[in-house]
Amino acid sequence: DAKTTQPPSMDCAEGRAANLPCNHSTISGNEYVYWYRQIHSQGPQYIIHGLKNNETNEMASLIITEDRKSSTLILPHATLRDTAVYYCIVRPHSGYSTLTFGKGTMLLVSP
Amino acid sequence: GAVVSQHPSRVICKSGTSVKIECRSLDFQATTMFWYRQFPKQSLMLMATSNEGSKATYEQGVEKDKFLINHASLTLSTLTVTSAHPEDSSFYICSARDSGQGAGNSPLHFGNGTRLTVT
Repeated sequence: DAKTTQPPSMDCAEGRAANLPCNHSTISGNEYVYWYRQIHSQGPQYIIHGLKNNETNEMASLIITEDRKSSTLILPHATLRDTAVYYCIVRPHSGYSTLTFGKGTMLLVSP
Repeated sequence: GAVVSQHPSRVICKSGTSVKIECRSLDFQATTMFWYRQFPKQSLMLMATSNEGSKATYEQGVEKDKFLINHASLTLSTLTVTSAHPEDSSFYICSARDSGQGAGNSPLHFGNGTRLTVT
């Protein structure tokens, strides 16, 4: 999997949008960008993924730059329960590969 | 949504004993499941890939005779930590992909992990 770079930590006020950046400058044309999060002492939870178009679901929005070298995960109205480690992962489209986790971003949502 | 159930959530065992952890896909079939390990303040590290009906594939540095994996059905994989020692204490997490979905870009779904403490 291509390597990703994320800030180690971020803070966000409750109710505000949380924008989590990710750099993946070596991403290949057939690799998707996946976002997961891990709340303390739980397994990772899938959030969203995309190839080159922006994506939105009930949890978040994913904005991928046109050159695909970076992306941003947006939690539109962060709550205290969104406090977690967020992982940005690139994964090949073809095959049945696993996910390689980096260190992620620890997002702390405060009242 | 796809649910992966992992059992037990916590286990404490004595050094030298064996512990079995189960990973089940509840509403989908999974020909492949993955086992991860996570030490405190570290990220998840892949231990092995579990393939239904065949031998597991282990990552470099993971002892296959110590971490026995069985994937006997399309909905169940088990990880047995044999002759556990305190250094095996960790958070073990399984994941699975819905085999019924198209190849490649379907997400992996994770269990809630098993906290193993070896005393």
